[in-house]
Amino acid sequence: DTGVSQDPRHKITKRGQNVTFRCDPISEHNRLYWYRQTLGQGPEFLTYFQNEAQLEKSRLLSDRFSAERPKGSFSTLEIQRTEQGDSAMYLCAGGGSLNTEAFFGQGTRLTVV
Amino acid sequence: ELKVEQNPLFLSMQEGKNYTIYCNYSTTSDRLYWYRQDPGKSLESLFVLLSNGAVKQEGRLMASLDTKARLSTLHITAAVHDLSATYFCAVDFIQGAQKLVFGQGTRLTINP
Repeated sequence: DTGVSQDPRHKITKRGQNVTFRCDPISEHNRLYWYRQTLGQGPEFLTYFQNEAQLEKSRLLSDRFSAERPKGSFSTLEIQRTEQGDSAMYLCAGGGSLNTEAFFGQGTRLTVV
Repeated sequence: ELKVEQNPLFLSMQEGKNYTIYCNYSTTSDRLYWYRQDPGKSLESLFVLLSNGAVKQEGRLMASLDTKARLSTLHITAAVHDLSATYFCAVDFIQGAQKLVFGQGTRLTINP
């Protein structure tokens, strides 16, 4: 158990709908990362929070994507107007201080039909 | 550009054999991670390599890091079927930030 929980584990949605995923790290994880992994590829960095501050966003994160971590604890990733190309596994990772390893949650698999 | 390349991308081998997966990266870093991923599952941390010359072993797997050559290897000794999975290396190019760049993965199949 890495201490990082993601919900839901699976989501099937119709194209054009909005979806929201949640990530709950343990309280010691002041750093939180979102990655996206498409089939047959390695994960790609999306965004990073230090406590409640979103410090970096990848160019992969189009304006249809938004992530929040309002109280520096759980985080949400919302995708608006989903497209088939958004189908992927969305992975959250939580970490403590810099130079310590971040640990991945179980992931949310999104299928857009 | 920050790039991480693994080879081979696919590897089919027999139980009992030895093999090595290679991970090359484009720019200086002394932080490299190896992960295992089973189908439909998330990433399981295998090794964290934090300095040049680092070598770590767990069971039949051994990982090493040569920062001067920008190369890491994952060596499998006397493979068993349970090691069948996809293996990823990932590099932290911004020291300690854990913003990882992953390789494409090596899909390993071990046949009885």
